Amino acid sequence: EAAVTQSPRNKVAVTGGKVTLSCNQTNNHNNMYWYRQDTGHGLRLIHYSYGAGSTEKGDIPDGYKASRPSQENFSLILELATPSQTSVYFCASGDGWGSNERLFFGHGTKLSVL
Amino acid sequence: GQQVQQSPASLVLQEGENAELQCNFSSTATQLQWFYQSPGGSLVSLLSNPSGTKHTGRLTSTTVTKERRSSLHISSSQTTDSGTYLCAIDHVGDNSKLIWGLGTSLVVNP
Repeated sequence: EAAVTQSPRNKVAVTGGKVTLSCNQTNNHNNMYWYRQDTGHGLRLIHYSYGAGSTEKGDIPDGYKASRPSQENFSLILELATPSQTSVYFCASGDGWGSNERLFFGHGTKLSVL
Repeated sequence: GQQVQQSPASLVLQEGENAELQCNFSSTATQLQWFYQSPGGSLVSLLSNPSGTKHTGRLTSTTVTKERRSSLHISSSQTTDSGTYLCAIDHVGDNSKLIWGLGTSLVVNP
C-alpha cells in the first residue's frame, strides 16, 4: 500500500516564526501536492511538484514556499507564519496524470499559529 | 473559474439504507474523483469517474458530463461509512490541478 508520511502531526507556532512541514512518500510517485483544509473551503492547493527539483505554485501560494529536494521528500515552508495560516495541511502524492492520477494522502498536519 | 457544489451538506441514515450524494460543477471537467475523509481526517481516493458509470464494491458513481453533474451511490450503508465524501474536479484547461467541493457529511447509525 502506498505510504505518505507527514511530520509533525501537530504544530504550534508563534506569529513571525518559521515553520517547516515535511512530507515523505515511499511510492516513487513523480507528483506531490500540498493542500490546506479550512472550514467553509474545499481543499485548496498551495504548491505542487512534478519531480525532484521542481516546484509549482498552486491556487494559494502566497506566504508559502515549497522544496522538493528528492523524489521522496516535499516540504512546505512558512517563512513568517501568521495566524491566518492556522489550518490543517495535507500532503499527497500522485501516480499519474489527469484523469488517470490517483492521489495518496498523508494524515495531515494541524498547525496553529498564535 | 471552476466551482464544485455538493449536496446534501449532511445526511443521516440507518444502517442498511442507501445513500445518494450529488456533485455539480460549473465548467467542463476532464477529471472527476470521489474521496472519503474519515472522522479522524485521513483522505482516501474512492474512484475516478469523469464520465459514465463506475462501480467499486458498494459504490456506484454516475457522471453526466454534459449536464455537469456526478452522483455517488452507497448501497447498504454501514456505520463504518460515516465520514465526509468529497468530490474534486480538474481546473478548466489545467488538468493537473483539482478543485474540491465542501463535501457531504454522512452519519450512519446502527
